[in-house]
Amino acid sequence: AQSVAQPEDQVNVAEGNPLTVKCTYSVSGNPYLFWYVQYPNRGLQFLLKYITGDNLVKGSYGFEAEFNKSQTSFHLKKPSALVSDSALYFCAVRDMNNNAGNMLTFGGGTRLMVKP
Amino acid sequence: KAGVTQTPRYLIKTRGQQVTLSCSPISGHRSVSWYQQTPGQGLQFLFEYFSETQRNKGNFPGRFSGRQFSNSRSEMNVSTLELGDSALYLCASSLAGAGGYNEQFFGPGTRLTVL
Repeated sequence: AQSVAQPEDQVNVAEGNPLTVKCTYSVSGNPYLFWYVQYPNRGLQFLLKYITGDNLVKGSYGFEAEFNKSQTSFHLKKPSALVSDSALYFCAVRDMNNNAGNMLTFGGGTRLMVKP
Repeated sequence: KAGVTQTPRYLIKTRGQQVTLSCSPISGHRSVSWYQQTPGQGLQFLFEYFSETQRNKGNFPGRFSGRQFSNSRSEMNVSTLELGDSALYLCASSLAGAGGYNEQFFGPGTRLTVL
C-alpha cells in the first residue's frame, strides 16, 4: 500500500520569506512523487514531479522540492513567497513497482497562507 | 491546447437518484482518472480508464461506475445517490502508458450536491 502524510494543515508565512510545505510518503518500492496546487473553485494544477535523478526538482512558479530517500520526504520549497501563492497544496505518490497505472495517492493537503 | 473539460460544473440531485458526469481529456491523452474530493476524506481515487478499459479501481462501492469511449472521453455514473456522495468530482488525463510517471492534468471538477 502507498500513503502520503502532510503533517501541517496550514502554513503561514510572510511575503518575501522562504516557505516549506512538508510531505512524507510510504511505498513498498520506489516512488514517483508529485506536487499539485489547488486554487478556490478550481481543479488541481501540476507543479513538479520527482521520477529519478537529481534530488532537487525545480517546477512551475519558482517552486522546487527536495527528494530525501532516507527520510522518505519530498518537501516543497520556495525561496521567496508571494501573496498569490496562497492556496491548497497536495503531495501525491505512486509506487513505480506497483502495477497501478496512473493511480495517485494524495496527502490531506496543506493550506498555505502568505500575508503581505 | 485545450485543457481537461468537465460537464456539468454544478449539479444538485436528491437521494436515490442517479447522475452521470462527463470528462473530455486533453487531445492525445488516452488515460483518464476520476477522483472524489471531500472535506472529510480528502482526495480519493475512484478509477482509471485507458483505451476504453478500466485499468484500476479505488475502494468505492459498485454504485460508482465509469466508462471510456473510443475518443478517450469518459463518463462516470453514480446510482442510488446518498448524502455522502456530495463532493467535488475531478477528472484527470495523462499521456498513454502504464509507467505512471506522467503528470496528470486535472479538470475544474463537477460539484455534486445530494439533498
